[in-house]
Amino acid sequence: AQRVTQPEKLLSVFKGAPVELKCNYSYSGSPELFWYVQYSRQRLQLLLRHISRESIKGFTADLNKGETSFHLKKPFAQEEDSAMYYCALSNQGGKLIFGQGTELSVKP
Amino acid sequence: DADVTQTPRNRITKTGKRIMLECSQTKGHDRMYWYRQDPGLGLRLIYYSFDVKDINKGEISDGYSVSRQAQAKFSLSLESAIPNQTALYFCATSPAGGLQGEQFFGPGTRLTVL
Repeated sequence: AQRVTQPEKLLSVFKGAPVELKCNYSYSGSPELFWYVQYSRQRLQLLLRHISRESIKGFTADLNKGETSFHLKKPFAQEEDSAMYYCALSNQGGKLIFGQGTELSVKP
Repeated sequence: DADVTQTPRNRITKTGKRIMLECSQTKGHDRMYWYRQDPGLGLRLIYYSFDVKDINKGEISDGYSVSRQAQAKFSLSLESAIPNQTALYFCATSPAGGLQGEQFFGPGTRLTVL
Protein backbone atom coordinates (compact mmCIF):
# COMPACT_ATOMS: atom_id res chain seq x y z
CA ALA A 1 0.00 0.00 0.00
CA GLN A 2 1.12 3.53 -0.71
CA ARG A 3 1.22 5.57 2.43
CA VAL A 4 2.86 8.65 3.92
CA THR A 5 3.17 8.96 7.68
CA GLN A 6 4.03 12.07 9.66
CA PRO A 7 4.18 10.94 13.27
CA GLU A 8 4.11 14.37 14.89
CA LYS A 9 0.91 16.44 14.86
CA LEU A 10 2.63 19.38 16.51
CA LEU A 11 6.26 20.34 16.82
CA SER A 12 7.17 23.30 18.98
CA VAL A 13 10.68 24.77 19.06
CA PHE A 14 12.34 28.02 20.03
CA LYS A 15 13.74 30.45 17.51
CA GLY A 16 17.27 29.48 16.53
CA ALA A 17 16.86 25.82 17.46
CA PRO A 18 17.24 23.05 14.88
CA VAL A 19 14.08 21.58 13.39
CA GLU A 20 13.38 18.15 11.98
CA LEU A 21 9.92 17.23 10.71
CA LYS A 22 9.64 13.50 10.21
CA CYS A 23 8.15 11.76 7.20
CA ASN A 24 8.10 8.06 6.45
CA TYR A 25 6.63 6.48 3.35
CA SER A 26 5.54 3.14 2.02
CA TYR A 27 5.82 2.67 -1.75
CA SER A 28 6.79 -0.28 -3.88
CA GLY A 29 8.40 1.63 -6.74
CA SER A 30 10.86 4.51 -6.95
CA PRO A 31 9.24 7.27 -4.95
CA GLU A 32 9.13 10.92 -5.76
CA LEU A 33 8.70 12.89 -2.56
CA PHE A 34 7.78 16.44 -1.77
CA TRP A 35 7.21 18.83 1.10
CA TYR A 36 4.29 21.24 0.91
CA VAL A 37 3.75 24.12 3.32
CA GLN A 38 0.68 26.09 4.34
CA TYR A 39 1.37 29.38 6.12
CA SER A 40 -1.41 31.05 8.08
CA ARG A 41 -4.03 32.50 5.72
CA GLN A 42 -2.10 31.36 2.67
CA ARG A 43 -2.55 28.55 0.20
CA LEU A 44 -0.87 25.24 0.31
CA GLN A 45 2.28 25.49 -1.81
CA LEU A 46 5.20 23.36 -2.80
CA LEU A 47 8.25 23.87 -0.61
CA LEU A 48 10.72 21.43 -2.09
CA ARG A 49 11.03 18.17 -4.02
CA HIS A 50 13.61 15.50 -3.37
CA ILE A 51 14.66 15.18 -6.98
CA SER A 52 15.88 18.77 -7.07
CA ARG A 53 18.15 18.36 -4.05
CA GLU A 54 17.52 22.00 -3.31
CA SER A 55 17.50 24.13 -0.19
CA ILE A 56 14.48 26.40 0.10
CA LYS A 57 14.20 28.97 2.90
CA GLY A 58 17.00 27.09 4.64
CA PHE A 59 15.11 23.79 4.58
CA THR A 60 16.55 20.60 3.15
CA ALA A 61 15.23 17.06 2.91
CA ASP A 62 17.15 13.92 2.05
CA LEU A 63 15.52 10.80 0.71
CA ASN A 64 16.69 7.76 2.66
CA LYS A 65 15.47 4.70 0.79
CA GLY A 66 16.84 2.31 3.39
CA GLU A 67 14.79 3.89 6.14
CA THR A 68 11.99 4.94 3.75
CA SER A 69 12.17 8.44 5.17
CA PHE A 70 12.17 11.99 3.84
CA HIS A 71 12.64 14.17 6.89
CA LEU A 72 12.60 17.96 6.55
CA LYS A 73 15.38 19.80 8.36
CA LYS A 74 16.47 23.31 9.12
CA PRO A 75 19.46 24.14 11.33
CA PHE A 76 18.08 27.36 12.82
CA ALA A 77 14.32 27.84 12.97
CA GLN A 78 12.78 31.27 12.44
CA GLU A 79 9.41 32.52 13.66
CA GLU A 80 8.24 32.88 10.07
CA ASP A 81 8.70 29.13 9.61
CA SER A 82 5.61 28.53 11.74
CA ALA A 83 3.16 26.75 9.45
CA MET A 84 1.55 23.44 8.59
CA TYR A 85 3.87 21.10 6.73
CA TYR A 86 2.77 18.17 4.59
CA CYS A 87 4.94 15.44 3.20
CA ALA A 88 3.64 14.00 -0.07
CA LEU A 89 4.45 11.12 -2.37
CA SER A 90 3.79 11.11 -6.10
CA ASN A 91 2.84 7.80 -7.64
CA GLN A 92 3.33 6.96 -11.29
CA GLY A 93 -0.24 8.00 -11.99
CA GLY A 94 0.53 11.65 -11.32
CA LYS A 95 -1.44 11.83 -8.09
CA LEU A 96 -0.18 12.99 -4.71
CA ILE A 97 -0.58 11.07 -1.49
CA PHE A 98 -0.30 13.35 1.52
CA GLY A 99 0.70 12.66 5.07
CA GLN A 100 -1.35 13.81 8.02
CA GLY A 101 0.58 17.04 8.41
CA THR A 102 2.76 18.50 11.15
CA GLU A 103 2.12 21.89 12.62
CA LEU A 104 5.39 23.67 13.34
CA SER A 105 5.34 26.38 15.97
CA VAL A 106 8.49 28.48 16.38
CA LYS A 107 8.46 30.48 19.59
CA PRO A 108 10.44 33.68 20.13
CA ASP B 1 -1.82 36.57 -12.43
CA ALA B 2 -2.92 33.08 -13.36
CA ASP B 3 -4.91 31.70 -10.48
CA VAL B 4 -7.05 28.96 -8.98
CA THR B 5 -10.29 30.22 -7.44
CA GLN B 6 -12.97 28.48 -5.42
CA THR B 7 -16.55 29.49 -4.70
CA PRO B 8 -18.04 29.75 -2.20
CA ARG B 9 -15.31 30.30 0.38
CA ASN B 10 -17.58 29.37 3.25
CA ARG B 11 -20.86 27.49 3.32
CA ILE B 12 -23.13 26.27 6.06
CA THR B 13 -25.84 23.83 5.06
CA LYS B 14 -28.16 21.24 6.52
CA THR B 15 -28.14 17.48 6.37
CA GLY B 16 -29.72 16.19 3.18
CA LYS B 17 -29.15 19.31 1.09
CA ARG B 18 -27.41 19.23 -2.27
CA ILE B 19 -24.29 21.37 -2.41
CA MET B 20 -22.00 22.33 -5.27
CA LEU B 21 -18.50 23.66 -4.82
CA GLU B 22 -16.91 25.28 -7.83
CA CYS B 23 -13.32 25.60 -8.95
CA SER B 24 -12.03 27.73 -11.77
CA GLN B 25 -8.50 28.22 -13.02
CA THR B 26 -6.77 30.58 -15.40
CA LYS B 27 -3.48 28.69 -15.38
CA GLY B 28 -4.29 26.75 -18.52
CA HIS B 29 -3.61 23.46 -16.75
CA ASP B 30 -5.14 20.22 -17.99
CA ARG B 31 -5.25 18.43 -14.65
CA MET B 32 -7.57 19.28 -11.78
CA TYR B 33 -8.12 17.72 -8.37
CA TRP B 34 -10.48 17.91 -5.39
CA TYR B 35 -9.22 17.20 -1.87
CA ARG B 36 -10.70 17.43 1.57
CA GLN B 37 -8.64 18.37 4.59
CA ASP B 38 -9.50 17.12 8.05
CA PRO B 39 -7.45 17.72 11.22
CA GLY B 40 -5.18 14.79 11.86
CA LEU B 41 -5.94 13.19 8.50
CA GLY B 42 -4.16 15.54 6.13
CA LEU B 43 -5.41 15.98 2.57
CA ARG B 44 -7.29 13.14 0.93
CA LEU B 45 -8.07 12.97 -2.76
CA ILE B 46 -11.76 12.86 -3.67
CA TYR B 47 -11.75 13.04 -7.48
CA TYR B 48 -9.35 14.05 -10.20
CA SER B 49 -9.49 14.82 -13.88
CA PHE B 50 -6.59 14.77 -16.32
CA ASP B 51 -8.56 16.39 -19.13
CA VAL B 52 -12.11 17.42 -19.96
CA LYS B 53 -13.24 13.90 -20.86
CA ASP B 54 -11.40 12.18 -18.03
CA ILE B 55 -12.86 11.74 -14.53
CA ASN B 56 -11.39 9.44 -11.90
CA LYS B 57 -12.28 8.51 -8.36
CA GLY B 58 -9.81 9.20 -5.64
CA GLU B 59 -9.35 7.74 -2.21
CA ILE B 60 -12.68 8.93 -0.75
CA SER B 61 -15.21 9.46 -3.54
CA ASP B 62 -18.29 7.99 -1.83
CA GLY B 63 -20.96 10.64 -1.33
CA TYR B 64 -19.40 12.99 -3.88
CA SER B 65 -19.66 13.55 -7.61
CA VAL B 66 -17.84 15.88 -9.99
CA SER B 67 -18.29 17.59 -13.31
CA ARG B 68 -15.55 18.89 -15.59
CA GLN B 69 -17.44 21.51 -17.57
CA ALA B 70 -14.41 22.86 -19.38
CA GLN B 71 -10.64 22.81 -19.10
CA ALA B 72 -10.91 25.67 -16.64
CA LYS B 73 -13.81 24.43 -14.47
CA PHE B 74 -14.16 21.47 -12.14
CA SER B 75 -17.14 21.27 -9.79
CA LEU B 76 -17.64 19.04 -6.76
CA SER B 77 -21.15 18.08 -5.66
CA LEU B 78 -22.47 16.58 -2.48
CA GLU B 79 -25.79 15.05 -3.51
CA SER B 80 -27.12 14.72 0.03
CA ALA B 81 -24.82 16.34 2.54
CA ILE B 82 -24.13 14.66 5.88
CA PRO B 83 -22.35 16.05 8.97
CA ASN B 84 -19.17 14.01 8.48
CA GLN B 85 -18.64 15.86 5.21
CA THR B 86 -17.88 18.95 7.26
CA ALA B 87 -14.34 19.80 6.19
CA LEU B 88 -12.09 22.18 4.30
CA TYR B 89 -12.18 21.43 0.58
CA PHE B 90 -9.34 22.29 -1.78
CA CYS B 91 -9.15 22.36 -5.53
CA ALA B 92 -5.77 22.01 -7.20
CA THR B 93 -4.38 22.03 -10.72
CA SER B 94 -1.27 20.83 -12.47
CA PRO B 95 -0.02 20.94 -16.04
CA ALA B 96 0.19 17.72 -18.02
CA GLY B 97 3.85 16.95 -18.46
CA GLY B 98 4.84 19.50 -15.87
CA LEU B 99 7.17 18.91 -12.97
CA GLN B 100 6.01 15.74 -11.28
CA GLY B 101 4.18 16.38 -8.06
CA GLU B 102 3.78 20.13 -8.32
CA GLN B 103 0.17 21.10 -7.83
CA PHE B 104 -1.28 24.57 -7.46
CA PHE B 105 -3.96 24.98 -4.83
CA GLY B 106 -6.98 27.19 -4.48
CA PRO B 107 -7.79 29.05 -1.26
CA GLY B 108 -10.19 26.40 0.01
CA THR B 109 -13.90 26.19 0.80
CA ARG B 110 -14.94 25.66 4.40
CA LEU B 111 -18.10 23.55 4.44
CA THR B 112 -20.17 22.94 7.54
CA VAL B 113 -23.02 20.44 7.44
CA LEU B 114 -25.41 20.73 10.38
